[in-house]
Amino acid sequence: RKEVEQDPGPFNVPEGATVAFNCTYSNSASQSFFWYRQDCRKEPKLLMSVYSSGNEDGRFTAQLNRASQYISLLIRDSKLSDSATYLCVVTSYSSASKIIFGSGTRLSIRP
Amino acid sequence: GAGVSQSPRYKVAKRGQDVALRCDPISGHVSLFWYQQALGQGPEFLTYFQNEAQLDKSGLPSDRFFAERPEGSVSTLKIQRTQQEDSAVYLCASSPSGEETQYFGPGTRLLVL
Repeated sequence: RKEVEQDPGPFNVPEGATVAFNCTYSNSASQSFFWYRQDCRKEPKLLMSVYSSGNEDGRFTAQLNRASQYISLLIRDSKLSDSATYLCVVTSYSSASKIIFGSGTRLSIRP
Repeated sequence: GAGVSQSPRYKVAKRGQDVALRCDPISGHVSLFWYQQALGQGPEFLTYFQNEAQLDKSGLPSDRFFAERPEGSVSTLKIQRTQQEDSAVYLCASSPSGEETQYFGPGTRLLVL
């Protein structure tokens, strides 16, 4: 079993829809969680950090469920420009090598 | 301000050739990371520097891979005797310290023929 798992998708949704996807992790000692966005043939860019209390940034909401060991990303009122691959990142700073990226979930927004 | 830069952006190497990939982190960033990203996969950790010290190299896939950051700024990832399975995008990222957001460079796309 991979340490960080994501549904690869693709999620194909109409513009304006709400879409959500999860990322599960296996290491209960994980400390920090992030969502990155990666456009085709581009580098990953931080979308948002994920805090224990959950956090929202505009149309994006991230949540952490430590008991069930997953993080989620919700996108409301999706735009065409949201089409990208969304990577979850789970880290444990007891060892730098415990920076684990998921394989990404591909999201495609159609007009 | 300038972000993380990497060079070359593209590299085609013949199998067995040595290659060197360069990363210029954001000025003042203490931490520097190298990742390997295969097509359709997320980045996989290779190695981590804090200033000039290589604190973790557990992700380097073989002893053909070597990284250095002698003055605590620019870093070079060297791959000796390249193999076809080394073909991937090599990403460099830096952060102010190891526990903060990582800023990625555009990557070097390596193709080994």
